[in-house]
Amino acid sequence: ETGVTQTPRHLVMGMTNKKSLKCEQHLGHNAMYWYKQSAKKPLELMFVYNFKEQTENNSVPSRFSPECPNSSHLFLHLHTLQPEDSALYLCASNGAEETQYFGPGTRLLVL
Amino acid sequence: SQQGEEDPQALSIQEGENATMNCSYKTSINNLQWYRQNSGRGLVHLILIRSNEREKHSGRLRVTLDTSKKSSSLLITASRAADTASYFCATDAFNQGGKLIFGQGTELSVKP
Repeated sequence: ETGVTQTPRHLVMGMTNKKSLKCEQHLGHNAMYWYKQSAKKPLELMFVYNFKEQTENNSVPSRFSPECPNSSHLFLHLHTLQPEDSALYLCASNGAEETQYFGPGTRLLVL
Repeated sequence: SQQGEEDPQALSIQEGENATMNCSYKTSINNLQWYRQNSGRGLVHLILIRSNEREKHSGRLRVTLDTSKKSSSLLITASRAADTASYFCATDAFNQGGKLIFGQGTELSVKP
């Protein structure tokens, strides 16, 4: 248990659906991250938020829309996804220390 | 962009043996970190080594860093079946605002 939670843990959606992934941390961290992990590929950094402000968008398609309403919560809104977007989506956070704390991930399947 | 590359991609050993994984990277770093991931789960931080350090220990883990060769190794001694997981190195490069770049990982299987 790292102190970072993610819901849902599993999600199946059609290409026309709209869904949201949620990440929550109460570690007092000020930076939060979304990563995508596909099979046999390195973790891909998608978005970075520092003090609720987006500081990095790693050329992510607009069908992924992040939201950070406060420093403890991070959302990833999904719409009109493609089958190749199926992956494990990981949220992480860190504070003054350099190490990142990861949530358990949401396993997403797009049909 | 900089990326850690690990080898081997997969490693299978018997319980009690030592496991060594290597990581290479391309640019100057502030620190290098190792993480572990059990199948389909989140990553868990294992150990961090700073650019001015050469070796670090934590329990059965030993990490080395050679900045001249831009490489690091993770040694797990006296492995156990519970060590079965994927292991990733991640680099915190200069002027990247604390962003971590992860390698593809090494899948370790420890057979009882």
